[in-house]
This record gives sequence, C-alpha cells and structure tokens, in this order.
Amino acid sequence: EIVLTQSPATLSLSPGERATLSCRASQSVRSYLAWYQQKPGQVPRLLIYDTSNRATGIPARFSGSGSGTDFTLTISSLEPEDFAVYYCQQRINGNTFGPGTKVDIK
Amino acid sequence: QLQLQESGPGLVKPSETLSLTCTVSGGPIRNSFYYWGWIRQPPGKGLEWIGSLDSSGSTYKNPSLESRVTMSVDTSKNQFSLMLSSVTAADTAVFYCARSRDAFDTWGQGTMVTVSS
Repeated sequence: EIVLTQSPATLSLSPGERATLSCRASQSVRSYLAWYQQKPGQVPRLLIYDTSNRATGIPARFSGSGSGTDFTLTISSLEPEDFAVYYCQQRINGNTFGPGTKVDIK
Repeated sequence: QLQLQESGPGLVKPSETLSLTCTVSGGPIRNSFYYWGWIRQPPGKGLEWIGSLDSSGSTYKNPSLESRVTMSVDTSKNQFSLMLSSVTAADTAVFYCARSRDAFDTWGQGTMVTVSS
C-alpha cells in the first residue's frame, strides 16, 4: 500500500499570502496525484488531477507540481474562501488519501 | 449535470452489515471511461477510499477492508451499491459515493452512518 504524508499538518497564513503544501508518497506514483479541498460540513472538491491539471472551474491561483514521490500544491494568494483542509490522493495503486493539511487564518 | 446521491440506513448495529446505494442521475453509469467509488470519513478525521468498480462490475478494494467489502452495479437502475460486513463503532463515518477517472471529480453529498446498538 502506498502511504501519503502531508506537511505541514497546519498552515497558518493571512489572506493574500502564498500557501505551499507538500505531499510525499512512500513510493513513486509517477504523475498520478490529485488534490482536494474540503471545507467544514462540505463535500471534498477536486482541485488538481495528475499533478498539475486544474479541474473545471478551479481558479488559476491554485497550481500543482512535482513527480514521483514529492508533490506541491501552491495557492499563489490566499482568498478568504481558501481556508480549508487540503488532501492529496494517489491512483497508481488502488487509491489512497493523505491525512490532510489544514490552512487556517493567522 | 451529473449528480450522485447516497441512500441507506443511518444507524447500523454492531456485527451487522452496512448497505448503501448510490443513484446516479444526469448520465449513464454504463460508461467505460469511468469508475464508481466509495469513500468514507469518520467524524473529525480524513478520507479513506473503500473501493471502486467499473460498469462491467470489476471491483478494486482497499486491502485493509477487502474481506468485509462487497460492491455491485445495476446499470438498469443507474445505481451502484456497497455492503460492509461485521461493522463496529470504528466504521461510523460519512460515506460518499463518487465518480472517478483521473481523480474523484464528482461526489455525492454523503450520508452519515452510525454503528451503535
């Protein structure tokens, strides 16, 4: 089973700041990594698939990068609605999700 | 617009079998490009993939749950289903159904299932 580790567990930032979230896989997932956003009481929303492709309707301030075992989700300038929990997910071997990174307001 | 809706009992007794159905509207489930999956989220915790299946009925399961999971698809009703046997309190969670190809791109609203006597 491929294990995903996300860091940091919590990221405290102010609106307008840049957020950099990390996801590391226990073995290579090639480019088969996605990112989701989940707000309290809401359904997870797909942001990025296959490392760097934005899903339909996702703003350009969200971008993804990486390959193999190390991946990054970047939010270039945080908007108030971006404060949420972010999960990464791999699909090369079954599916697994990371434990999440909470982005909260500083 | 594709929509998914979970249905099933909100309360299940320990040792019994949890059964959920996902009804898909706005598009045929018989589409070879997609998989149809189940994901759960215990209260206050993260997401856990349970398993997925394609429209032909081929299944792919989380190894940690495989022995307790049964999934099926009914293309005539545009539905797919999950059964999780021998449940315990640790299985209490919000259960989501979702469509996937490159990722889980469309989700149901989720249904809370509590395991308690």
